[in-house]
Amino acid sequence: AQKVTQAQTEISVVEKEDVTLDCVYETRDTTYYLFWYKQPPSGELVFLIRRNSFDEQNEISGRYSWNFQKSTSSFNFTITASQVVDSAVYFCALSEAQAGAQKLVFGQGTRLTINP
Amino acid sequence: DGGITQSPKYLFRKEGQNVTLSCEQNLNHDAMYWYRQDPGQGLRLIYYSQIVNDFQKGDIAEGYSVSREKKESFPLTVTSAQKNPTAFYLCASRDRDRSSYEQYFGPGTRLTVT
Repeated sequence: AQKVTQAQTEISVVEKEDVTLDCVYETRDTTYYLFWYKQPPSGELVFLIRRNSFDEQNEISGRYSWNFQKSTSSFNFTITASQVVDSAVYFCALSEAQAGAQKLVFGQGTRLTINP
Repeated sequence: DGGITQSPKYLFRKEGQNVTLSCEQNLNHDAMYWYRQDPGQGLRLIYYSQIVNDFQKGDIAEGYSVSREKKESFPLTVTSAQKNPTAFYLCASRDRDRSSYEQYFGPGTRLTVT
């Protein structure tokens, strides 16, 4: 069975600090996709990134970076030089690439608060 | 603008009443999904539909029903059989023609049943 664990329920840092959100996943499939979503106070989930299981290259997008390590089943998300606008709940999710609906399994989310 | 619309944003109902949540998308996506979010928890899948006139139960379908008569619409009915209906409900859609698998979400409806 698929499972996503985000062990950090809440994180609070001061603006400009770097912060890493952890995500550990479980799956029996060899082909799967991992995602990060951001949920600001408005409630809508915003798609940030997708990674497939065959691509372990780290990715950087501005202040955001993602570290995918199959050996430890982790897909961690780092925000560099955090800003108040980064405050949100962040979800990691997993989808197995089998024929069908490609359902997403979500972690419980990490509430990130950036203090000015 | 293309996107997913959910209305209303806040909905209040008395216990024992059925209520239907709206979800409309103009992204031309085939697949649509309904999730439930409770405070401090992740999203749980209620129902999903891959094509018109077809839908499947998700992990927590009891007490809910859906229909998919049109590609752009996937309404969710919360019935009186749902024991704890108060929650935040999110609708999502995905383009099945692309092998990308990410889902795009609407703004959500917060349902309160008293």
